[in-house]
Amino acid sequence: EAGVTQSPTHLIKTRGQQATLRCSPISGHTSVYWYQQALGLGLQFLLWYDEGEERNRGNFPPRFSGRQFPNYSSELNVNALELEDSALYLCASSPTVGQGREQYFGPGTRLTVT
Amino acid sequence: LAKTTQPISMDSYEGQEVNITCSHNNIATNDYITWYQQFPSQGPRFIIQGYKTKVTNEVASLFIPADRKSSTLSLPRVSLSDTAVYYCLVGDIRNTGFQKLVFGTGTRLLVSP
Repeated sequence: EAGVTQSPTHLIKTRGQQATLRCSPISGHTSVYWYQQALGLGLQFLLWYDEGEERNRGNFPPRFSGRQFPNYSSELNVNALELEDSALYLCASSPTVGQGREQYFGPGTRLTVT
Repeated sequence: LAKTTQPISMDSYEGQEVNITCSHNNIATNDYITWYQQFPSQGPRFIIQGYKTKVTNEVASLFIPADRKSSTLSLPRVSLSDTAVYYCLVGDIRNTGFQKLVFGTGTRLLVSP
């Protein structure tokens, strides 16, 4: 069974630009979650999508947004990039809400803002 | 979500048993305890989950006392490849709110030869 995949592996942007990160969940999983992990810090919850709808978001500004497609894959968009947005962005998936006992994480996208 | 407290770091040697304790004094009745492992530049990986007493799988054991205010992750005979950060999370897995996992700073385990 294929795991959660993310692309690109690395992304380098300059301040003020926009970044788009992509995630494909495990087949059969409908929930997708996004987390930010800055260097040396713990994971911070960003967004949760299920069945195409945004279900919850963490304490991040509106320039962090995303969407989930009919095939349950997801995009995370970060507008007006700032230097402090440099981090590892992790995507996770789980089965339908109420059924999942754990989240399965992808390898992450390393975003560097210069 | 119940707040958790773990040691920042632990050191061990190959072949030893490692026990990492997590405190969660305000755990709720419906909360489960879950542990994740994370290697550098990788996403966390589910290790084990439990509600009470003891749970064991192929990689670890989870001990939960009767009051459930703490839990201990036990790694038998660690190897160098067990060097990682271990996170303890507490929450109601049936509640949609748990879908946003709240990770603390975790415990950084260093296994030496």
